[in-house]
Amino acid sequence: NAGVTQTPKFQVLKTGQSMTLQCAQDMNHNSMYWYRQDPGMGLRLIYYSASEGTTDKGEVPNGYNVSRLNKREFSLRLESAAPSQTSVYFCASTPGGVSYNEQFFGPGTRLTVL
Amino acid sequence: AQTVTQSQPEMSVQEAETVTLSCTYDTSENNYYLFWYKQPPSRQMILVIRQEAYKQQNATENRFSVNFQKAAKSFSLKISDSQLGDTAMYFCVEGTSYGKLTFGQGTILTVHP
Repeated sequence: NAGVTQTPKFQVLKTGQSMTLQCAQDMNHNSMYWYRQDPGMGLRLIYYSASEGTTDKGEVPNGYNVSRLNKREFSLRLESAAPSQTSVYFCASTPGGVSYNEQFFGPGTRLTVL
Repeated sequence: AQTVTQSQPEMSVQEAETVTLSCTYDTSENNYYLFWYKQPPSRQMILVIRQEAYKQQNATENRFSVNFQKAAKSFSLKISDSQLGDTAMYFCVEGTSYGKLTFGQGTILTVHP
């Protein structure tokens, strides 16, 4: 099992460009999450999908959109990238249903917006 | 809203010694869980230990244990017999409904040989 995979691993964008970060999990998990981690800080929740077909805003959703394509895949889109979105982005998944479940994280995508 | 505070930006310890990382939290939730995650230089997030808030007994996981003081909203992590592989950023995390996690700012732990 690959666990949680993310593509790409690195990306450099110019201000105003758009891109989609891809995330997939092969653990048959119901819930998936997108976080961002700024230098020297903890992760902050951008969006989450408690189950297939649902998505909800987290703590810092502005400037982002998400799509739960199917049970396995959860993508994050930046429509018009800004330098403030320079960060490391992590996708995570969990079986869902209760809050004590461990979240399994992907390796992260380092995004730089110039 | 939930907030998690880690007041120690950096800590260091000698190999084989014991170190305690501090954490306080503030939550409006009745049903929540607490976690410690570590992030080594590889950037991978790894669960260290978890604590159900409704349980009074402190969780232990091999060399890792917690001191959970619910009334004081305190959740510290004790690492015994520290190893070089314990060098990492440690995050105190609160988990609430739908698995939403709130992270503290992190504590960088360095284990010296």
